[in-house]
Amino acid sequence: ETGVTQTPRHLVMGMTNKKSLKCEQHLGHNAMYWYKQSAKKPLELMFVYNFKEQTENNSVPSRFSPECPNSSHLFLHLHTLQPEDSALYLCASSQDGFGNQPQHFGDGTRLSIL
Amino acid sequence: DAKTTQPTSMDCAEGRAANLPCNHSTISGNEYVYWYRQIHSQGPQYIIHGLKNNETNEMASLIITEDRKSSTLILPHATLRDTAVYYCIVTNSGGSNYKLTFGKGTLLTVNP
Repeated sequence: ETGVTQTPRHLVMGMTNKKSLKCEQHLGHNAMYWYKQSAKKPLELMFVYNFKEQTENNSVPSRFSPECPNSSHLFLHLHTLQPEDSALYLCASSQDGFGNQPQHFGDGTRLSIL
Repeated sequence: DAKTTQPTSMDCAEGRAANLPCNHSTISGNEYVYWYRQIHSQGPQYIIHGLKNNETNEMASLIITEDRKSSTLILPHATLRDTAVYYCIVTNSGGSNYKLTFGKGTLLTVNP
């Protein structure tokens, strides 16, 4: 139990589908993050939300659309993805996005694009 | 950004101490050293962090050299469940975002 829950754990979708990834944290944190981990590549930061406001978009294509309705929930809406988007998508949270506090990660959603 | 250098892989016998080195020669004075690990099919797990002083918690000890250019993560009694990729990260404390930049890490294999 990490305190950060991601659903679904696995997702297979076609290139024309629309799906959403969900992340929920039960740690009382105010910052949430999306990361992408492709095969044999380091984790890449995608988005940062701090107190529900997006503070970082790491040049992510618009086919990925994040949403943070409150400090406990983070979504990643997917639309018209490409095969190279197949990866493990990880969510993390921290106390806030300003100082040096540990980030706590979920176990990710394994996404496969057909 | 300060970068880190870690060995690609290491082996350790079960029950022995695992000492994982990390070089961060360009670290700035206000940057912390963080260690995470990632067990197969799981998300990264926070282990420990430090600025200047040595740190210890229930999982590990962190030894930072006096010039802060390198550090060592010590798992005092490695178990098979400690087999994982270990990441040494120097935080980017610039701007308003606290960011982690992951490298390739060290694959630690604990052998029976």
